[in-house]
Order: sequence, then C-alpha cells, then structure tokens
Amino acid sequence: EDQVTQSPEALRLQEGESSSLNCSYTVSGLRGLFWYRQDPGKGPEFLFTLYSAGEEKEKERLKATLTKKESFLHITAPKPEDSATYLCAVQAMNTGFQKLVFGTGTRLLVSP
Amino acid sequence: DTAVSQTPKYLVTQMGNDKSIKCEQNLGHDTMYWYKQDSKKFLKIMFSYNNKELIINETVPNRFSPKSPDKAHLNLHINSLELGDSAVYFCASSQESRGTYEQYFGPGTRLTVT
Repeated sequence: EDQVTQSPEALRLQEGESSSLNCSYTVSGLRGLFWYRQDPGKGPEFLFTLYSAGEEKEKERLKATLTKKESFLHITAPKPEDSATYLCAVQAMNTGFQKLVFGTGTRLLVSP
Repeated sequence: DTAVSQTPKYLVTQMGNDKSIKCEQNLGHDTMYWYKQDSKKFLKIMFSYNNKELIINETVPNRFSPKSPDKAHLNLHINSLELGDSAVYFCASSQESRGTYEQYFGPGTRLTVT
C-alpha cells in the first residue's frame, strides 16, 4: 500500500532561520510527488510537482528536491507569511493519475 | 475568477438528515474529485470523475453519492448523516490530457453533524 510520512509534525522557526521539511514515501512506482500549502480554513494550494530522483524546483523561498525514497522542502530565510501546513502527496504508476495519497502534513510557524 | 468553488462553506445538521454539497470549477478541467479531511487534518480521496464518468470510489459508504451533471460540476449527496461524517470536504479538479497531474482544490465545506 502506498504510504507517505511527513516529519516533523510541527516546526517553529524564527524569521530568517532556514530549515527543511521531510516527506518519506513508499510507492510501487512513483508517477509524481506533490507539495501543497494549506492555510487554516482554506483548501490546499499547489506548490510543486517532482517526477524523478534528482529533480529540483524552486519558488521564492521554497525549494523542493526528490530522491528515490524521500522529498525535502527547503525553506530559506522564512518569513511569518510562510506559516502554514505543508502537505506532501504521491501518485503511483499503478493507480492512475487521479489518485493522490497524502501525508499528514507539517505545521510550520514562523515567528517575527 | 474563483477556480474551484464549493457551497456551502459551513453546514451544520442533525444525525439522520440528508444534505448536499455543490462544487463547480471554471478551469476547463476534465477530472473532478471529492476529498475528506478529518480532525487530524488527514486528507483522503473519496471519489473522482473524469468526463462525468466515475473513476475512483475509495470504499466510501454508499450513503455518499457523487453526481456529475457536466464536466464543470461535481456534487456530493450524503444520506442519513452520522456523527462520524463530521469533517471538511474538499472538491478538486485536474486536467489529465496536459501531462501534468496537479490537482487544484476548492475552499472546503465544513460539515458538522450533531
């Protein structure tokens, strides 16, 4: 069964203090790995898709990387507005490209 | 210019009632989804429809019945509501034919069953 584990569950950073969030996955053939941001009371907002090991994508202070077993979301010099829950999801080759399996997320709080 | 919209945003009802949640997307996507997010924030797919055809039905009780009148709409009807149905329900959409598979989510409907 496809599984996604995110760590840590919660992370508190000072503004400007860089860190990384981890997403470990077990899937029978990875089609894609997705990162989403979710603010309280809102729906998940798409950030990145990674398809193969070694791939990297960047957006402002966020950089996502992918290996064969895990993905990292690096946050460089975070600001308070980066506070949110970050969700990781995988899509397996054998389940079609409709099904996303999500992790439970990392709650990030950035203090000024 | 909302991409994926849902109504209502909040729904409070009693056990045993029947309720519906509506979803509309204006992205021109051909696939739509319903997800359930529980109190621990775990997001799990319930259904997906592609061009009005049911593709995924993830062992959801048959009290839940999705209906897709056209490609831009996917509604969720729930019969005989139970306490355990309390959750946030998200609609999402994607476009398969572009070769990228990201899904775009609506703002959610918080269902509270008392």
